[in-house]
Amino acid sequence: QKEVEQNSGPLSVPEGAIASLNCTYSDRGSQSFFWYRQYSGKSPELIMFIYSNGDKEDGRFTAQLNKASQYVSLLIRDSQPSDSATYLCAVFSGYALNFGKGTSLLVTP
Amino acid sequence: GAVVSQHPSWVICKSGTSVKIECRSLDFQATTMFWYRQFPKQSLMLMATSNEGSKATYEQGVEKDKFLINHASLTLSTLTVTSAHPEDSSFYICSAGETGTGNTIYFGEGSWLTVV
Repeated sequence: QKEVEQNSGPLSVPEGAIASLNCTYSDRGSQSFFWYRQYSGKSPELIMFIYSNGDKEDGRFTAQLNKASQYVSLLIRDSQPSDSATYLCAVFSGYALNFGKGTSLLVTP
Repeated sequence: GAVVSQHPSWVICKSGTSVKIECRSLDFQATTMFWYRQFPKQSLMLMATSNEGSKATYEQGVEKDKFLINHASLTLSTLTVTSAHPEDSSFYICSAGETGTGNTIYFGEGSWLTVV
């Protein structure tokens, strides 16, 4: 069973702070890693993906990957109330995306 | 970015009837599409992988005779829920990706199915 683990939260951060979301995975053969944001009742929307060790930055978002530790994270800088959502970590293992259960993020004004 | 479109967005059907959900890749060709199901407050669960021109690959525990998948072209996959029951009520989401670096995968808008 290829597992993707996330803390369900909720993670509460004040507006303007940095939100840190973490994810671990069990399949060492995993190739690509994705972060999706899902608002209640809506389909997931892609935030960013990463496939090389290190950091990848896109605007206020930074994804960090450490394949040796089987760990991927997402940092959200200058968090806004509109960032409040469930964040899904997904791991692609050459076959399909396997999802974590998601971390609920609440950004308080 | 690539766009994946799903239709219908929501559907209500009577128990025992069948309902079809379409998934289209609008600006790229998708040899493989994926169908997920998500119950409220749960994660996305992969149901099956739809392969263009061949039979779908179903995940363990998913009834292939109940959830019929057809991938007749490089831009269209359909999921038919046959003899639907109230417990089939869920959010069904398809996804497809472009080949190449990163294997970026995009989701359709999702289809809410309610069986009454």
